[in-house]
Amino acid sequence: NAGVTQTPKFQVLKTGQSMTLQCAQDMNHNSMYWYRQDPGMGLRLIYYSASEGTTDKGEVPNGYNVSRLNKREFSLRLESAAPSQTSVYFCASSEARRAHSSNEKLFFGSGTQLSVL
Amino acid sequence: DQQVKQNSPSLSVQEGRISILNCDYTNSMFDYFLWYKKYPAEGPTFLISISSIKDKNEDGRFTVFLNKSAKHLSLHIVPSQPGDSAVYFCAAPYTDKLIFGTGTRLQVFP
Repeated sequence: NAGVTQTPKFQVLKTGQSMTLQCAQDMNHNSMYWYRQDPGMGLRLIYYSASEGTTDKGEVPNGYNVSRLNKREFSLRLESAAPSQTSVYFCASSEARRAHSSNEKLFFGSGTQLSVL
Repeated sequence: DQQVKQNSPSLSVQEGRISILNCDYTNSMFDYFLWYKKYPAEGPTFLISISSIKDKNEDGRFTVFLNKSAKHLSLHIVPSQPGDSAVYFCAAPYTDKLIFGTGTRLQVFP
């Protein structure tokens, strides 16, 4: 099993360009998440989805959109990239039917390093 | 407002000795705590967790201690090994979010 797969691994964008980060999991998990990691900030939740067809905002949703296409896939879109969106992006999934249930472990992808010039 | 704080950005420990990573929190409503480990160019992986009704949980070389009165938890690694060199995040689930600390980079040297 591949677990959580993210593409691409690296991306460089110019300010104003758009792109979609793809994420797929093969563990039949219910909940999926997008985080960003910045130096000195830990991991911050952008958006999450507790089930197919539902999405909710996290701590830092501005400038992003998401789509839970089916149970396996959860994509993150930057419509007009800004330098402040330079970060490492992680997709994660968990079995929980309610996002971030108390003792549910998250399984993370290997990340996408995004630079916006 | 940082509800989960890791005040030590880095820690260096000799192989075979004990590593102690600390985490403080401000929200007394947290009922569970988790530690994740992250290697460079990889995603975080779950390491160990503890319920707020316990004060200790042990898994092999890893032990997490919880002091609710002090709102403090710590991760002990004994003995430390070079393969333990990574960034360690503590985290607490609350409502629909998992709140992460800023991480501590552990380096274990020979």
